[in-house]
Amino acid sequence: GQNIDQPTEMTATEGAIVQINCTYQTSGFNGLFWYQQHAGEAPTFLSYNVLDGLEEKGRFSSFLSRSKGYSYLLLKELQMKDSASYLCAVRSGTGFQKLVFGTGTRLLVSP
Amino acid sequence: NAGVMQNPRHLVRRRGQEARLRCSPMKGHSHVYWYRQLPEEGLKFMVYLQKENIIDESGMPKERFSAEFPKEGPSILRIQQVVRGDSAAYFCASSSYEQYFGPGTRLTVT
Repeated sequence: GQNIDQPTEMTATEGAIVQINCTYQTSGFNGLFWYQQHAGEAPTFLSYNVLDGLEEKGRFSSFLSRSKGYSYLLLKELQMKDSASYLCAVRSGTGFQKLVFGTGTRLLVSP
Repeated sequence: NAGVMQNPRHLVRRRGQEARLRCSPMKGHSHVYWYRQLPEEGLKFMVYLQKENIIDESGMPKERFSAEFPKEGPSILRIQQVVRGDSAAYFCASSSYEQYFGPGTRLTVT
């Protein structure tokens, strides 16, 4: 089976940096995704890693270590609008396979 | 290029009624996925379809739930004889390689 763990909640201050960790166990790993979900809204795609290393996209970066089954999402220069849930999801197998999601990390950014 | 579309956005059904949820994938996408999100919980995969084919339905409850993606028209998730426990947000996603989510249908069973 597949198992994905991420912290339930985190808090941070506006302007700060926060790192949200995700660990996973899966067979046939084929990519790790991060999504942002505001309350009552649909998840929106943030990043995708399939090879080890860091992917940077503006204020957001995502890191993957396949040997450790570990990823993190790094958010810099936090803004109030970054308060949301951040979902880690893993795909295994080939082709257009389903995503298995963690329960999400609720991030609260305070002034 | 319109995104993934779902309707209705909100659906209220009484126990025992049928719920039909529709999803139109992004233009050019032929893979559709349905996920369910219970309050305060993560997204749970239900079913993956291509046109006229169910590829993976390992997340579908064995009874009362069915899904289709006909050659023409949207994908439909059907829930028969709804119960209170079916109240959730149902999201559809379509993919080229990343999955893009629709706005969801929030089903409330009274």
